[in-house]
Amino acid sequence: QVQLQESGPGLVKPSETLSLTCAVSGYSISSGYYWGWIRQPPGKGLEWIGSIYHSGSTYYNPSLKSRVTISVDTSKNQFSLKLSSVTAADTAVYYCARYSGDYPGGYAFDIWGQGTMVTVSS
Amino acid sequence: DIQMTQSPSSLSASVGDRVTITCRASQSISSYLNWYQQKPGKAPKLLIYAASSLQSGVPSRFSGSGSGTDFTLTISSLQPEDFATYYCQQSYSTEYSFGQGTKLEIK
Repeated sequence: QVQLQESGPGLVKPSETLSLTCAVSGYSISSGYYWGWIRQPPGKGLEWIGSIYHSGSTYYNPSLKSRVTISVDTSKNQFSLKLSSVTAADTAVYYCARYSGDYPGGYAFDIWGQGTMVTVSS
Repeated sequence: DIQMTQSPSSLSASVGDRVTITCRASQSISSYLNWYQQKPGKAPKLLIYAASSLQSGVPSRFSGSGSGTDFTLTISSLQPEDFATYYCQQSYSTEYSFGQGTKLEIK
């Protein structure tokens, strides 16, 4: 079955760039679907960060757009998140997820990674 | 951008109770509304898509309804494993937004 696994540093210094990768197994990214990043600050709700289509088209949360880059590497079957100029407010669990249109009537995040905690601190 | 507002923010209920959670969109989103369940330390799980369609494997005590701007998630008879936080999410626009969550606690 399709599985997603996030990886990357658990600690990032303020003003630096947060970089995470989501490895996809059980499915070839180049075959389709949107793939996305969602984060959750400690004790708070979910915030969509951005999504990328297998072809490379991207959509970003307007509140983060100036700092976010999402890319896909089909040769490695993974997609990545870069968030620049981080502050303590970017401390969160970061999830990657598949955004599927297989559902009649709309799209949904149907498969999620387990999440990875990223702390921004000096 | 589309704002999603859930109510209540938290809810105490007992096993066997019928519970309803509401989600309101700041503009019409037709039926492009999903519901997720999240347990502590775990990733969210898709429960309902397109406002009222049950994801495969989800118990039939969960149901969703609504269209336009107002939506509801109903659990007909709460089970111990249902105590969790629930989120709505709109898929109408490409700026996918979530509600702030409703925490369902044991009374």
